[in-house]
Amino acid sequence: SSELTQDPAVSVALGQTVRITCQGDSLRGYYATWYQQKPGQVPVLVIYGKNIRPSGIPDRFSGSSSGNTASLTITGAQAEDEADYYCKSRDRSGDHLMFGGGTKLTVL
Amino acid sequence: QVQLVQSGSELKKPGASVKVSCQASGYSFTTHAINWVRQAPGQGLDWMGWINTHTGKPTYAQDFTGRFVFSLDTSVGTAFLQISSLKVEDTAVYYCARESGGQDAIWFDPWGQGTLVTVSS
Repeated sequence: SSELTQDPAVSVALGQTVRITCQGDSLRGYYATWYQQKPGQVPVLVIYGKNIRPSGIPDRFSGSSSGNTASLTITGAQAEDEADYYCKSRDRSGDHLMFGGGTKLTVL
Repeated sequence: QVQLVQSGSELKKPGASVKVSCQASGYSFTTHAINWVRQAPGQGLDWMGWINTHTGKPTYAQDFTGRFVFSLDTSVGTAFLQISSLKVEDTAVYYCARESGGQDAIWFDPWGQGTLVTVSS
């Protein structure tokens, strides 16, 4: 598949752990990059490369990958983590990029 | 600090053209590619393509060939997105983003604040 597939919506209880996944054949060869977007705001980089967090991103955010699936894990989700999360990677050709459809995270 | 500042919102009629600018500051402009991303109302992020700021060569995603043109003015550290023959379905927020990374992974940071282009008769 030339697509990146994400669950449209995921929910988590406050303080619990949640995993947001991204599936695609290209992920066997390339890392996923993860972005957080809150309503009306610009996307923010949260994880890139092999589980690297930019400065300012809390350490409760982590990334991992296995086979054709990349995961963003939030350990101890906070109310402010409620947002849309998008994965991004190269396509199978490696020449182009693509985003997953996004996952809306609700913190209960 | 590294920053991308985009031009303001635009209201256009179908068939018109629009040019969105993205001015970089805080780093050497030609050392990082600029990517463009579209977000239609209530929808996800769509990668449109990128422009090599060193050579000026653009690369377009499959859905963004023909009416979309990326260009540069390196003298003022600015990238441009021009859309011609606008359609109602081009209504969206358009983001520019600075690219970093390499073969294994590419990331966008920072992003511009976004430019809302509204196409309506």
